[in-house]
Amino acid sequence: DTEVTQTPKHLVMGMTNKKSLKCEQHMGHRAMYWYKQKAKKPPELMFVYSYEKLSINESVPSRFSPECPNSSLLNLHLHALQPEDSALYLCASSQWEFVSPLHFGNGTRLTVT
Amino acid sequence: QKEVEQDPGPLSVPEGAIVSLNCTYSNSAFQYFMWYRQYSRKGPELLMYTYSSGNKEDGRFTAQVDKSSKYISLFIRDSQPSDSATYLCAMSSYGNKLVFGAGTILRVKS
Repeated sequence: DTEVTQTPKHLVMGMTNKKSLKCEQHMGHRAMYWYKQKAKKPPELMFVYSYEKLSINESVPSRFSPECPNSSLLNLHLHALQPEDSALYLCASSQWEFVSPLHFGNGTRLTVT
Repeated sequence: QKEVEQDPGPLSVPEGAIVSLNCTYSNSAFQYFMWYRQYSRKGPELLMYTYSSGNKEDGRFTAQVDKSSKYISLFIRDSQPSDSATYLCAMSSYGNKLVFGAGTILRVKS
């Protein structure tokens, strides 16, 4: 079991749907991250929150909208996705932004039909 | 040239072998070095974290960082079939995002 919990584990959605991915950590970490991972590729950074404020947005399309309600929770709101957005979406947390090791959840496997 | 180079493999070894996984990098500012193991359909699991140069050992795993050569290694002793996974190196410098290698697929055959 990981200390970063992601729900749901699997998600299938149509291109007109709105859905949300959720992430929770209870390690007291101050930085939280969203990554996207395609098959046989390394994780690709999407967003970083540090002390609950958006620190980095890697020019992600606006159909992905992150939210950090508190220091333990991170959401990713999805709307009008494309089939090419199908991937494993990983949440991670660390004590400090990038200089301390990232701890990943097991991800949400998203399929867009 | 990529900032971090890692041979994607696959690397196949017999059970009990010593495995050596490596990454080279070009950015001399990197100070924080990590190794992750990722099983199929799971998230990356942190194996080793090293700051600056030197060796670090944890059970069957040893991480080495040679900053003068811009080269990091992960050694796995007495490899087991359960070690079969993708191994990702990752590194960063202060104030900058983590850069991952491509990942090496390891297969340990019983």
